[in-house]
Amino acid sequence: KAGVTQTPRYLIKTRGQQVTLSCSPISGHRSVSWYQQTPGQGLQFLFEYFSETQRNKGNFPGRFSGRQFSNSRSEMNVSTLELGDSALYLCASSLFEGARYNEQFFGPGTRLTVL
Amino acid sequence: GIQVEQSPPDLILQEGANSTLRCNFSDSVNNLQWFHQNPWGQLINLFYIPSGTKQNGRLSATTVATERYSLLYISSSQTTDSGVYFCAVNYNTDKLIFGTGTRLQVFP
Repeated sequence: KAGVTQTPRYLIKTRGQQVTLSCSPISGHRSVSWYQQTPGQGLQFLFEYFSETQRNKGNFPGRFSGRQFSNSRSEMNVSTLELGDSALYLCASSLFEGARYNEQFFGPGTRLTVL
Repeated sequence: GIQVEQSPPDLILQEGANSTLRCNFSDSVNNLQWFHQNPWGQLINLFYIPSGTKQNGRLSATTVATERYSLLYISSSQTTDSGVYFCAVNYNTDKLIFGTGTRLQVFP
């Protein structure tokens, strides 16, 4: 089975621009989560989607948004980029089964640099 | 919310040495995972271990949920083991809460 894929792998933007990152989960996985990793804050949860619905949201400003499509693929968008948004953005997928919280698998990440 | 602490923050070893990494968490959890982050940033799954003991080659892990800690053992370290090791927990959601990691450097 193919793993979690993320595109693009690298991205350079300037302040004020917006960016869209894409994540394709492992086939059959229905839950997709996004995380931001920075040297100062470590790995922080952004949001989680299941069946096209946002189930959980981390403590990030409204400039960060996401969505999930019917095929479970997910996108996240960051508007009005700030220098502090420079980070590695990681996507994870899991095979959600009812009330069981399952092992999560991560993609290779998108490294965003904001100039 | 749940707090996750890892120790030690840094570990320097010579090839062939053994090591133990520790993860403490502040409250009950459903699940616990150990990851190795490679130099390119990808998190590689090592163990999914909400309780008990598992082994995979030179690596093994033990989680004692009632005492709120987990241990990752690396035996006969190799240079390819270098990187950052994270533990992460979740409780009643798919949201993973990560520790701050242990940076391991293995020298030949």
